[in-house]
Amino acid sequence: EPEVTQTPSHQVTQMGQEVILRCVPISNHLYFYWYRQILGQKVEFLVSFYNNEISEKSEIFDDQFSVERPDGSNFTLKIRSTKLEDSAMYFCASSEHRTDTQYFGPGTRLTVL
Amino acid sequence: GQNIDQPTEMTATEGAIVQINCTYQTSGFNGLFWYQQHAGEAPTFLSYNVLDGLEEKGRFSSFLSRSKGYSYLLLKELQMKDSASYLCAVRALSSSGSARQLTFGSGTQLTVLP
Repeated sequence: EPEVTQTPSHQVTQMGQEVILRCVPISNHLYFYWYRQILGQKVEFLVSFYNNEISEKSEIFDDQFSVERPDGSNFTLKIRSTKLEDSAMYFCASSEHRTDTQYFGPGTRLTVL
Repeated sequence: GQNIDQPTEMTATEGAIVQINCTYQTSGFNGLFWYQQHAGEAPTFLSYNVLDGLEEKGRFSSFLSRSKGYSYLLLKELQMKDSASYLCAVRALSSSGSARQLTFGSGTQLTVLP
């Protein structure tokens, strides 16, 4: 069964450093998403992406964040200058069509020291 | 904005039936999803309702009443492996007319006892 994959599974970085989180969505899916979950809190939407551009973004997704689909398979989330409060689990998700079910990857646990 | 409420914790016994409720307030409702999340893992899709009524999927069923802003997830023949957090998520049309992002509740931590 096809699934969303994410790398790395765990990333530790120093405050102020840039990080890139990588995702490979399900191959025939067209819509891609990033969510985050701070430990013990709810899953929060960050951004959705379709046809090589951002469709929607939340208030969390400020100028420090960017997304890119650099090739036909990868979908990345970049945080330019990490803060302590960026420590969270970051989930990538994808869906085939606009209103289809979103399937989540296993997540990247980001720890900012 | 959107508001989603679900109980924080529930406990049930192996083999029993449990119902997890979710109430929501939103404009532009466009579907309600239930996900299961084990600690440290990704949310896994369980069920989806966009019209009123019951959707059955093996041991799991989900019900929706749009007029009441209410859904429940019913788990039958509980197994130990069902111990997890159950997330209610609502999709709603945004001001731009798109309907993609999910807004999640805080989750209901279900503990299944032997």
